[in-house]
Amino acid sequence: EAGVTQFPSHSVIEKGQTVTLRCDPISGHDNLYWYRRVMGKEIKFLLHFVKESKQDESGMPNNRFLAERTGGTYSTLKVQPAELEDSGVYFCASSQGWRTLQETQYFGPGTRLLVL
Amino acid sequence: AQSVTQPDIHITVSEGASLELRCNYSYGATPYLFWYVQSPGQGLQLLLKYFSGDTLVQGIKGFEAEFKRSQSSFNLRKPSVHWSDAAEYFCAVGARLSGNTGKLIFGQGTTLQVKP
Repeated sequence: EAGVTQFPSHSVIEKGQTVTLRCDPISGHDNLYWYRRVMGKEIKFLLHFVKESKQDESGMPNNRFLAERTGGTYSTLKVQPAELEDSGVYFCASSQGWRTLQETQYFGPGTRLLVL
Repeated sequence: AQSVTQPDIHITVSEGASLELRCNYSYGATPYLFWYVQSPGQGLQLLLKYFSGDTLVQGIKGFEAEFKRSQSSFNLRKPSVHWSDAAEYFCAVGARLSGNTGKLIFGQGTTLQVKP
């Protein structure tokens, strides 16, 4: 069974540009999460999808970040325009089932974003 | 507010020695607690989790953790460390807020180095 995949693995962009990160969850997983780790800091929650609906987006830093999950399958996270402080590693995770906290979250390898 | 503290940023142990990684949490009720490990180039992998019941939890790769409510701790242990255990370890608490969110709150991580 394929795990959670993320694309690209690395991205280097200039301040003001747009970047779109993609996450493909494990097939059949209704829950999809985005997390971010800024260098030297802890991993922080961004948002949680249940199928195509945003269940919790309390961690989204500002309106430069837009997450979508069309059709309840893969998800994209767009940053527009990117700022220097957006640099970090963006993780995606997925889980199965409705008992969300009790379900194991399977993480992807992350996308390393560097904004210059 | 919920929070997780991992007091040790780096730990070095000799191969074959015992290991204990510390984790303290701040939460008003019985938390959902997790330990994850991230090897270089990989996503986070769940080692073990605690929801209720027996306070000593067994996980994969020979790891165990003990929930101590009086100390607000969930320390990770392994009796004999192998070189392949070198990685970064994350403690996390599930945010049991209103709504069915699966949000995890992470500590800053502990990097384990294993000496031959």
